[in-house]
Amino acid sequence: QLQLQESGPGLVRPSETLSLTCTVSGGSMNNYYWTWIRQPPGKGLEWIGYIYYSGSISYNPSLQSRVTILVDTSKSQFSLRLSSVTAADMAVYYCARKIADAAGGGLDVWGQGTTVAV
Amino acid sequence: DIVMTQSPDSLAVSLGERATINCKSSQSVFYSPESKNYLAWYQQKPGQPPKLLIYWASTRESGVPDRFSGSGSGTDFTLTISSLQAEDVAVYFCHQYSTTPRTFGQGTKVEIK
Repeated sequence: QLQLQESGPGLVRPSETLSLTCTVSGGSMNNYYWTWIRQPPGKGLEWIGYIYYSGSISYNPSLQSRVTILVDTSKSQFSLRLSSVTAADMAVYYCARKIADAAGGGLDVWGQGTTVAV
Repeated sequence: DIVMTQSPDSLAVSLGERATINCKSSQSVFYSPESKNYLAWYQQKPGQPPKLLIYWASTRESGVPDRFSGSGSGTDFTLTISSLQAEDVAVYFCHQYSTTPRTFGQGTKVEIK
C-alpha cells in the first residue's frame, strides 16, 4: 500500500531554511494533492500547504512569504522549504496525501512525521 | 480564516458508552455545487500521525469501525463513538477543507472513565 516517509535535518539554526522531503512509495503521485502539515509540541495541527501532482500550489497565507513546496514525480518525492525559521517553527512535520474534494477530500495517507527543532 | 472550535476539550467515557464530540465552524463549510460539507474527522493516538475517520462530514473512511459516525451540516458537526472501546483513547480533530487556509479544531481528548 502507499507509504510516505519524511526526511531531512532534525535541527535547523534560527534564520536559516528548513528543508524536508517526502518520499512516496507503493503508488502513483498522479491525481492527488501532496500536503504538508505541522504540529508544535503538545498542540494542534497547522496546514502548511499542498501541491497537486501537476504542480499547482496552495499555501497557508500565514506562511506564504516563507514557504515553498515542490514536486518531482520522476523521483516520487515532494518537498518543503521554510525560510527564516524561528522557535515558533519547532514542530513535528507531516507529509500527507489529500484526495480531490470531489472524491472525498480527506487526508487519507500520512507519513510518520519528523521532528524539527530550531 | 475559518475557525474550528471543538467541545469539549476532553471527555472521559466508560467502556461501552457513547462519546460525542462537537465541532463548530465560524463559517459554513457546505459546498453548494456538490451538496457536500467539506468537513473531516481524524483520530490521533500518542506518537502516531492522524488517521482519517470521516470525510464529507458523514462518510466513513474504508476500514473505520461503524461505531464511528459523523453528522451535521453548515457550521455544526458531531462525531459520535457509539460504544467506546479501549483502543479509541485518542485525540480527535475536525478539519475543514472548504476554503484556504484549511484549518483544524484544537482537538478533543477522549479517555476511559
